[in-house]
Amino acid sequence: DQQVKQNSPSLSVQEGRISILNCDYTNSMFDYFLWYKKYPAEGPTFLISISSIKDKNEDGRFTVFLNKSAKHLSLHIVPSQPGDSAVYFCAASVDNQGGKLIFGQGTELSVKP
Amino acid sequence: EPEVTQTPSHQVTQMGQEVILRCVPISNHLYFYWYRQILGQKVEFLVSFYNNEISEKSEIFDDQFSVERPDGSNFTLKIRSTKLEDSAMYFCASSEWGANYNSPLHFGNGTRLTVT
Repeated sequence: DQQVKQNSPSLSVQEGRISILNCDYTNSMFDYFLWYKKYPAEGPTFLISISSIKDKNEDGRFTVFLNKSAKHLSLHIVPSQPGDSAVYFCAASVDNQGGKLIFGQGTELSVKP
Repeated sequence: EPEVTQTPSHQVTQMGQEVILRCVPISNHLYFYWYRQILGQKVEFLVSFYNNEISEKSEIFDDQFSVERPDGSNFTLKIRSTKLEDSAMYFCASSEWGANYNSPLHFGNGTRLTVT
């Protein structure tokens, strides 16, 4: 199932700089998108979401941008902190599908002091 | 902050045995889910559950799998006859109402199932 793709398996950023994590999708029927963060030995933790009718949503240091024509979304973290080091998953869903999220493969972010 | 709790954290079983994975969702949540992640692969949807019945299930969720909410707090996943390929991390999740961008899923820390 390749409907949601994160093509970068890893990203390394300096503390204080911007982290940009990317996600592409193929299903134009997706109604909303989410980003989750995952530390080792823990479950995914919800970060931020965006409806398909929006192009930007911001929450503190986290901003998600959605480009529907390109079927692309990105998560910006500014400024990046060492505690942000984790695996970030992009996920997407269609309303009325019983909460079925389609996940990307994840991008491992490393923020170096 | 309220959280989803899962037990056990690690379960080892022999092929062909039955296992029950347990979850306590967040108390005011109405929708419950199971996902799994095979090592090195994506997190995959298994099943969603609302009002004591399955809302949606994936092709993975065959007759070997069942879910139950036996009381007001627990939500369980049963695998009747485990296979080697069932070895994975199983995540339980819940959401306040039907999942959408305003009602995200909250995940537990998972149960690592190892089938030998």
